[in-house]
Amino acid sequence: DTEVTQTPKHLVMGMTNKKSLKCEQHMGHRAMYWYKQKAKKPPELMFVYSYEKLSINESVPSRFSPECPNSSLLNLHLHALQPEDSALYLCASSPLRHTSTDTQYFGPGTRLTVL
Amino acid sequence: GEDVEQSLFLSVREGDSSVINCTYTDSSSTYLYWYKQEPGAGLQLLTYIFSNMDMKQDQRLTVLLNKKDKHLSLRIADTQTGDSAIYFCALGGYNKLIFGAGTRLAVHP
Repeated sequence: DTEVTQTPKHLVMGMTNKKSLKCEQHMGHRAMYWYKQKAKKPPELMFVYSYEKLSINESVPSRFSPECPNSSLLNLHLHALQPEDSALYLCASSPLRHTSTDTQYFGPGTRLTVL
Repeated sequence: GEDVEQSLFLSVREGDSSVINCTYTDSSSTYLYWYKQEPGAGLQLLTYIFSNMDMKQDQRLTVLLNKKDKHLSLRIADTQTGDSAIYFCALGGYNKLIFGAGTRLAVHP
């Protein structure tokens, strides 16, 4: 099973709203990732959690707040977003074996629209 | 820094072979990946090749790696309409993937 699930599939929110995106995997992976993808572009890395600790933050604005409650779950809390934050948000996970690479498996994404 | 380049668009006739190319500048990656993205969907891991291999075949997919020229290709045999998607090559690293811009494959009858 190489499934990463994400909810909701679609989200529309106003600039004053607070919402959360959720991601779950049951593959025993110890690294989880958030990516942002704009139309016709490759995914851009936002955050990486390794062993439930934030290990990489790619200078993401504080209106995006990640959380990793346990090794299977990853949340992205959204507050005071801007219309330019509208995008497909992808979650990924990887086993985090201690080698020079680590295969990432992606979820289906959440399509976010900020009005 | 690392740079990964792909041509942006490829159009093929149904039943023909498709070849999607990727060139890169950094050769330190141990694995090189191909991901497929259908409209409105996430990225599906299609296949990958270990950097000490020259070729990998997986059913209709053939991956070729030319380390000297830093060139990676994905060949899809007997291309079907269901293969229409964006294909990303990516260089693997620890906790990171370096993506190309993606090649949109259009399959026409």
